[in-house]
Amino acid sequence: EAGVAQSPRYKIIEKRQSVAFWCNPISGHATLYWYQQILGQGPKLLIQFQNNGVVDDSQLPKDRFSAERLKGVDSTLKIQPAKLEDSAVYLCASSLRTNSNEQFFGPGTRLTVL
Amino acid sequence: QKEVEQDPGPLSVPEGAIVSLNCTYSNSAFQYFMWYRQYSRKGPELLMYTYSSGNKEDGRFTAQVDKSSKYISLFIRDSQPSDSATYLCAMSADSGGYNKLIFGAGTRLAVHP
Repeated sequence: EAGVAQSPRYKIIEKRQSVAFWCNPISGHATLYWYQQILGQGPKLLIQFQNNGVVDDSQLPKDRFSAERLKGVDSTLKIQPAKLEDSAVYLCASSLRTNSNEQFFGPGTRLTVL
Repeated sequence: QKEVEQDPGPLSVPEGAIVSLNCTYSNSAFQYFMWYRQYSRKGPELLMYTYSSGNKEDGRFTAQVDKSSKYISLFIRDSQPSDSATYLCAMSADSGGYNKLIFGAGTRLAVHP
């Protein structure tokens, strides 16, 4: 079974630029998550999708972050404009159901904002 | 105060040692307790999952939950160099049909031969 795929793996941008990350969840997984993991911290949930609907985006900085999951499969997370404090690893995860505690994580995208 | 507190370490032990990793939490609504393992440059992977209080054993790993003390532990017996990773505790409460995971900061473990 293929795991969660993410791209790119690494990205370096200047502050105020925009960036987008892509995620392809495990086939058949209805729920998709985007997490932000700052160095030395645990992952923090940014947004959770059930199919193509948003379940929880309470911690998503909506003035600069946006996410979509068209057709209930792939998802993109965008930051525009980026700030220095956005430097982190952005992890995508998926699970079979929205109330599942077993989430399968991708390798993450490491973002550096200069 | 953070909802979940975890000592970041690092923790360095010799091969074969028993390792004890711990987390405390403040939210009494948490019912589900997980331990995820994260290797360098990789995403976390679920290692152990416990519902409510009690112990759960899986091979060399034992997870304990003490809800009265709001304290959870992960024990690793006969530790191996391949166990070197960051261990993240995670917890959730049943919130209207979906569970939001709250992670600790992670404890970095190094097992040296």
